[in-house]
Amino acid sequence: RKEVEQDPGPFNVPEGATVAFNCTYSNSASQSFFWYRQDCRKEPKLLMSVYSSGNEDGRFTAQLNRASQYISLLIRDSKLSDSATYLCVVNSGRNTGKLIFGQGTTLQVKP
Amino acid sequence: SQTIHQWPATLVQPVGSPLSLECTVEGTSNPNLYWYRQAAGRGLQLLFYSVGIGQISSEVPQNLSASRPQDRQFILSSKKLLLSDSGFYLCAWSGGSGSSREREQYFGPGTRLTVT
Repeated sequence: RKEVEQDPGPFNVPEGATVAFNCTYSNSASQSFFWYRQDCRKEPKLLMSVYSSGNEDGRFTAQLNRASQYISLLIRDSKLSDSATYLCVVNSGRNTGKLIFGQGTTLQVKP
Repeated sequence: SQTIHQWPATLVQPVGSPLSLECTVEGTSNPNLYWYRQAAGRGLQLLFYSVGIGQISSEVPQNLSASRPQDRQFILSSKKLLLSDSGFYLCAWSGGSGSSREREQYFGPGTRLTVT
């Protein structure tokens, strides 16, 4: 089983749609959770950290379910500029800064 | 603010040639530093990480080595490149132990290496 699993997609949605990505992780000792965005042939950029209580940043909402070892990202009112690959990331265990990256979910927002 | 630099941006090297990729960080001290490789269509693989000068941990056995000669400088090297070394090499930093930014990693622009 992969340490971090994501549906690779692609998710093809029209502008204005709401889209949700899910991710599962295998290490119950993981303490830190993130979503990164990676544009084609560019470096990953931190989109948001994911907190136990859930958190929202504009059109983006992240949720964490520790019991199910599941993380989600919701994007509302999709823009063309949201087209990218979204990487689910967790740290590899308690008190470690090493991160494990999922292979990413590709989003294509169409006009 | 913090910035991270990598060079070169692209590199084409023949099999058997040496490699040296450099990464420097500005605007922070005592960062944790990381080297990742992303092969075409694949996820990021952690190659090395460093918590201080001269302190390098290797994650996977391979044809590469890393060094940290200065606090904010991280170098990835190889004596003889293999075809399988082709990929997108990314350097990242995070805050050092105890830092409020210890958990999050920030990436440089990457070096795209093609071994021919």
